[in-house]
Amino acid sequence: ETGVTQTPRHLVMGMTNKKSLKCEQHLGHNAMYWYKQSAKKPLELMFVYSLEERVENNSVPSRFSPECPNSSHLFLHLHTLQPEDSALYLCASSQTVRGQVNTGELFFGEGSRLTVL
Amino acid sequence: AQSVTQLDSHVSVSEGTPVLLRCNYSSSYSPSLFWYVQHPNKGLQLLLKYTSAATLVKGINGFEAEFKKSETSFHLTKPSAHMSDAAEYFCVVSDSYNTDKLIFGTGTRLQVFP
Repeated sequence: ETGVTQTPRHLVMGMTNKKSLKCEQHLGHNAMYWYKQSAKKPLELMFVYSLEERVENNSVPSRFSPECPNSSHLFLHLHTLQPEDSALYLCASSQTVRGQVNTGELFFGEGSRLTVL
Repeated sequence: AQSVTQLDSHVSVSEGTPVLLRCNYSSSYSPSLFWYVQHPNKGLQLLLKYTSAATLVKGINGFEAEFKKSETSFHLTKPSAHMSDAAEYFCVVSDSYNTDKLIFGTGTRLQVFP
């Protein structure tokens, strides 16, 4: 098993569909992240869960809904998306300790390539 | 506020020649700086990191970067490029050690010709 696994790798959906992206990490980390990667733009941090608590939501539209049932699993629920939401969605994990220095290293999955028609 | 600028969107080199990928940063405090690499259809992988220890940082696959505070730069270098180095490289800055405050650059695509 690789460290961070994302499924599906590719997803095509219509604007009225509801789908979910799944991420699983096998590294024993306690923080998980969703990033959006679009062409010609920097990676955009969407959500952060640390110790299963959402600690950051960067002005992401409500059509994206994250869920973190435990420290190993992270979901991104998608509904009524727009064509501009087409992108590569990357999940990452890290080991972090509240209030203390951590390594700053993120471990990424291979991403889910989303196309919205 | 912190920011990072990757000066070249594309760099092309011949196999066996040196690689230089440029990165400048802006930071209010002593920054932590990172380089990540993304091979085609893969996630990002940490190449190396600077966290206020030695200014010359060695990473994986023969890459290294030098932190120059006076020039606010953190350029990535490798003496001799290999075909397998072809990928997208991201310079990343953080003002704190909190991972969720990482700021990514727009990336530099490295092409390596035989």
